[in-house]
Amino acid sequence: AQSVTQLDSQVPVFEEAPVELRCNYSSSVSVYLFWYVQYPNQGLQLLLKYLSGSTLVKGINGFEAEFNKSQTSFHLRKPSVHISDTAEYFCALNTGGFKTIFGAGTRLFVKA
Amino acid sequence: DAGVIQSPRHEVTEMGQEVTLRCKPISGHNSLFWYRQTMMRGLELLIYFNNNVPIDDSGMPEDRFSAKMPNASFSTLKIQPSEPRDSAVYFCASSLAIGREQPQHFGDGTRLSIL
Repeated sequence: AQSVTQLDSQVPVFEEAPVELRCNYSSSVSVYLFWYVQYPNQGLQLLLKYLSGSTLVKGINGFEAEFNKSQTSFHLRKPSVHISDTAEYFCALNTGGFKTIFGAGTRLFVKA
Repeated sequence: DAGVIQSPRHEVTEMGQEVTLRCKPISGHNSLFWYRQTMMRGLELLIYFNNNVPIDDSGMPEDRFSAKMPNASFSTLKIQPSEPRDSAVYFCASSLAIGREQPQHFGDGTRLSIL
């Protein structure tokens, strides 16, 4: 069975500080991995995706993520956050078929 | 380009009433998903369709819930009768089902409150 674990339910950070949101996955087959962001009162939006090739993936709004197969991780990073990055972030995987498995989400709070 | 469109954005009704949520997927997308989001349970997949056919409805909580997709551009999620514990935000999402690398595109959701 496949699963996604987001290790932190909430991450507070000061503006302009770096941040890392952690995601681990479990799968016996190859995976496609995604990070989505959800701003208040909105649906989820795609931040970035890993399909194959380079393990460092760059997304929108200055975010990037690194695929680490040996550690089964796909952590999301940003070198300097803004107040506007306050949102909930979801890690997700797809191993085949139509279904995507989402993590429980990590709430990022950026403080002034 | 128009994204996934959901209506209504907000719905407040009394328990026992029938509730119908509507979704228009992105044109050309042939997979459609209904999710429910609550603080307690997070994001739950209720049902998904491919080419208008329901593929997996194992996430539908009870027989009070039903979903249809009569054509490629429209889907409904119906709750009858509604109960207070159905209060949640319901999302519709669509994707190109060509391959598993395709991300899902979400609507802005319907915030449902059952009194």
